[in-house]
Amino acid sequence: DTGVSQDPRHKITKRGQNVTFRCDPISEHNRLYWYRQTLGQGPEFLTYFQNEAQLEKSRLLSDRFSAERPKGSFSTLEIQRTEQGDSAMYLCASSPPGLLNTGELFFGEGSRLTVL
Amino acid sequence: EDQVTQSPEALRLQEGESSSLNCSYTVSGLRGLFWYRQDPGKGPEFLFTLYSAGEEKEKERLKATLTKKESFLHITAPKPEDSATYLCAAPWQAGTALIFGKGTTLSVSS
Repeated sequence: DTGVSQDPRHKITKRGQNVTFRCDPISEHNRLYWYRQTLGQGPEFLTYFQNEAQLEKSRLLSDRFSAERPKGSFSTLEIQRTEQGDSAMYLCASSPPGLLNTGELFFGEGSRLTVL
Repeated sequence: EDQVTQSPEALRLQEGESSSLNCSYTVSGLRGLFWYRQDPGKGPEFLFTLYSAGEEKEKERLKATLTKKESFLHITAPKPEDSATYLCAAPWQAGTALIFGKGTTLSVSS
């Protein structure tokens, strides 16, 4: 079990550029989540996949944000035309299949985005 | 609107000085209350799930309790390695996403 892996760990970009983050969940986990966290705040939910289907999206996920999970394995989160307000830590989490929501999410170490 | 509120924002303790962190929630049809620990620069790490009022869970020096309106994380005789931000969360609406509080940053000095 190698845990949830995120890449890159740090990204510095200029306003208006596009960025893409990748998340590799724990292999047997079919649920995958993206969260965003800014300094002094708790993680804020962005979107949720079960296998390859995107089942939930937060209103925080503007049309500049797009997430995919082809084949139900790794996931990507793309931000187009970045703005300074997009600067944050982007966290990916996964959880195993099951009917009971135990609330136990396995988080990666995050991808920190700085928009200049 | 569903909300999770934590207090205090920050807490400084001496090693061995027990205390409690508070998490109050206004979530209709609560389907669990969850506690996480987050170290600087890392993702949150799951600690506990509580489902019903009166339930308690323990792990080493930590004990989580739940009432109908709030949850407490009790820290008994803390050590410096317990220093971290503690987050509580609840399921958002009918989905599986979690709504997190802002966290309590605990600092334990020796």
